[in-house]
Amino acid sequence: QQKVQQSPESLSVPEGGMASLNCTSSDRNFQYFWWYRQHSGEGPKALMSIFSDGDKKEGRFTAHLNKASLHVSLHIRDSQPSDSALYFCAASEPTGYQNFYFGKGTSLTVIP
Amino acid sequence: NAGVIQTPRHKVTGKGQEATLWCEPISGHSAVFWYRQTIVQGLEFLTYFRNQAPIDDSGMPKERFSAQMPNQSHSTLKIQSTQPQDSAVYLCASSFWGGAYEQYFGPGTRLTVL
Repeated sequence: QQKVQQSPESLSVPEGGMASLNCTSSDRNFQYFWWYRQHSGEGPKALMSIFSDGDKKEGRFTAHLNKASLHVSLHIRDSQPSDSALYFCAASEPTGYQNFYFGKGTSLTVIP
Repeated sequence: NAGVIQTPRHKVTGKGQEATLWCEPISGHSAVFWYRQTIVQGLEFLTYFRNQAPIDDSGMPKERFSAQMPNQSHSTLKIQSTQPQDSAVYLCASSFWGGAYEQYFGPGTRLTVL
């Protein structure tokens, strides 16, 4: 069973709109959560991390974490065509084991 | 800082041939990871090294895949007797040690097995 589940699988939003991506984990050992973005033909690149409950805002991107429900979300306001990409959620444990567990990704298309 | 370097960017092999993929991590990073990406399976963890020592290879197909890190400046992923189902993008990432540190990915090597 995949430890990190993402929804939706794909999402289309109009330029200037709000995109909301969701991620749920099944392991309460996870403490660190990341959002990665991958444009076609490139490797994934970290967008932002969130380690504490609540919201974290970086420009047009806001991540929200609720550790009690093991849910993390990413909201992109004023979406731009350049935001069209594959978005991954990743989770890791705080100590010892280094590995990141990635979800299968959400494909975002921003329609001009 | 050139980032994580992966070579070659594209590789085509015939069924049964060997493929060796190279990764140069970011200088100073102590952890190196290998992933495989396909449309169907998404991003799959293969293996990782800490300070050149293999730590976890639980994602590696046991029979034909092997990874090494002979020095701190490069790691290799070798696939023997390649099969069509090995066709994928193979990604290398590096980071400082610890789950709170970002993994920096290379551009990947697209392997096509005919």
